[in-house]
Formats: sequence, structure tokens, C-alpha cells
Amino acid sequence: GAGVSQTPSNKVTEKGKYVELRCDPISGHTALYWYRQSLGQGPEFLIYFQGTGAADDSGLPNDRFFAVRPEGSVSTLKIQRTERGDSAVYLCASSLMGLDANGYTFGSGTRLTVV
Amino acid sequence: AQSVTQLDSHVSVSEGTPVLLRCNYSSSYSPSLFWYVQHPNKGLQLLLKYTSAATLVKGINGFEAEFKKSETSFHLTKPSAHMSDAAEYFCVVSDNNAGNMLTFGGGTRLMVKP
Repeated sequence: GAGVSQTPSNKVTEKGKYVELRCDPISGHTALYWYRQSLGQGPEFLIYFQGTGAADDSGLPNDRFFAVRPEGSVSTLKIQRTERGDSAVYLCASSLMGLDANGYTFGSGTRLTVV
Repeated sequence: AQSVTQLDSHVSVSEGTPVLLRCNYSSSYSPSLFWYVQHPNKGLQLLLKYTSAATLVKGINGFEAEFKKSETSFHLTKPSAHMSDAAEYFCVVSDNNAGNMLTFGGGTRLMVKP
């Protein structure tokens, strides 16, 4: 597609539930990133994929968070046993081969609210 | 380790006056530096980037930034503010040692008064 697409745009879930957030990167972009932006703060790195593999998952806060990219295109961020502190905007970005001179292209994000 | 400090959480200017958003960074290696803008309920948009070429970088919408290694700064400027410039601005750093991870500053909210 023309840009990075994230669905859903908004998600409200109850504490303890499981959620999946989807990211559809720009066609042909091999690198894909997930960031989390809490209210009033800058985005924080979660995980980076190069192709199908997670090249760096050091930003995942705990084992309730997991992400996959099975075919090297669409990625899904999965959060188990959600907590109120997980409420944030989850941003996805992609780039052609990794960090390049153009930076990344970000999606509009999924606003997750845990009640 | 890399880090970014945006020195002002809020900046207010009058329309038509200059804009200065301050950013200092810390990086172990030669960094790449970026400024992104985020309008309400919109995605992050790249304003400009520095990647070891010219130290004065020109971006979109009349913004520019100067990389000063001696001061570890990358301040964003614009000669004349427009109402549409009101948004959140993020200074971002990345270096080769951190792989492909971007580190964002805390953001500066720019308000433009008529």
C-alpha cells in the first residue's frame, strides 16, 4: 500500500483480556518496528524485525508482549493478560532495509485502552 | 547508549515570529538525527534528517536544523511560525551501535498564537 496501515485504530479491552494489534507495512519494506507511546511521552522502542525474524526485541517490557511477522510482511503485536498500564498508542513503522537516510515511515497507530 | 533531551516541554510563539525548539543528544558513535512532527490524531511525519552530510539540514515546511557536534545539539528552527505549525515535535537519535533503534526525546509542544 501507499503507507503503513495499522488496525484497529482504536481498541478498548478489559483488564486481563488478550489483544492483537496489526501492522501492514509499505510493500517491499523488509524492516518493521513497533513502538509504544504513552500519554505525554515520546515513543519507546519495543521490537524490530528484519524480514521474518526479530532482530532486536530488547524493548518488550515483559513476557506478556509478543510479536510475529511470519511471512516478512504483516506483523501482529500480541498482548496477553492486559493491564491498565498497557494503555498507550502502539506505533508501527517500516523502512526499506533498516535505518536509512529517510528514517522510517510510521503508521497512525492503534490507541489501546485497558479498562 | 544513546539518549535525547528536549529542553522545553512547551514552547509558545506568535504567528510570524521565529521558532526555536532545542535538542541535545548523547551518542557513543556518529549519530543519525531526525526531527519528527506529530499533529493531533495523526501519524509521525519526518521533518528533516542529519546523516553525516551537511551540518545545516533543510526540511519540509520551512524548518531547518543545525548539527553541532561540539555542543551535541540539533536545534530545530523556522524563521516565521504559521498557525499550522502547532503540533508536537520530537527530536530523535540513532547510531550504528544501537542497531536500527530510534530513541525519541520527550517531545516539545509548539503553540502558535494569532
